[in-house]
Amino acid sequence: QQPVQSPQAVILREGEDAVINCSSSKALYSVHWYRQKHGEAPVFLMILLKGGEQKGHEKISASFNEKKQQSSLYLTASQLSYSGTYFCGTEIGGYSTLTFGKGTMLLVSP
Amino acid sequence: GAGVSQSPRYKVAKRGQDVALRCDPISGHVSLFWYQQALGQGPEFLTYFQNEAQLDKSGLPSDRFFAERPEGSVSTLKIQRTQQEDSAVYLCASSLYQSSGNTIYFGEGSWLTVV
Repeated sequence: QQPVQSPQAVILREGEDAVINCSSSKALYSVHWYRQKHGEAPVFLMILLKGGEQKGHEKISASFNEKKQQSSLYLTASQLSYSGTYFCGTEIGGYSTLTFGKGTMLLVSP
Repeated sequence: GAGVSQSPRYKVAKRGQDVALRCDPISGHVSLFWYQQALGQGPEFLTYFQNEAQLDKSGLPSDRFFAERPEGSVSTLKIQRTQQEDSAVYLCASSLYQSSGNTIYFGEGSWLTVV
């Protein structure tokens, strides 16, 4: 089942904060976050593992609520380079196959 | 190599033509994935390899799609008798390990347009 991301789109001024949410109807082993710019590869940002371990980007933080099967990505003091589409990919365990949400488009303006 | 490499980057095919898309994963990576990404959508899983073994092909949309990784490194996704609905970006990704919770690295994709 595809995870649901919200909001669909966000427009920010440089320096503002944003939160992107990802929720699943299935019990998750991990949540992976990626950012993709047009015409480029999705770039890995963060993994959140069942049990609370986090691995990822120093300027971006995230949380994983295992009971609710929800994850949130926190972008603080946004920079122009943060613009792009953010995808969460969820893993139910086994061998790392990810199911991606439809994405959240983020635009940071000067 | 430094990252996942895919070729060709862009391919225009006439309807009915066969195409082959190549993926060169990060050296030493055990797991290899193919995803299809339509415009404005998230990547959708097609198939997964662990070394040379294709362990999951549940996402392949029809029997016109075929993937192989004969020596456990380079992989090829083949689409036979292409249709317009096959137009999409085909993303290849690789991961060092086979277990859950490992970072998956994506290539830039092969953009296929069927006319």
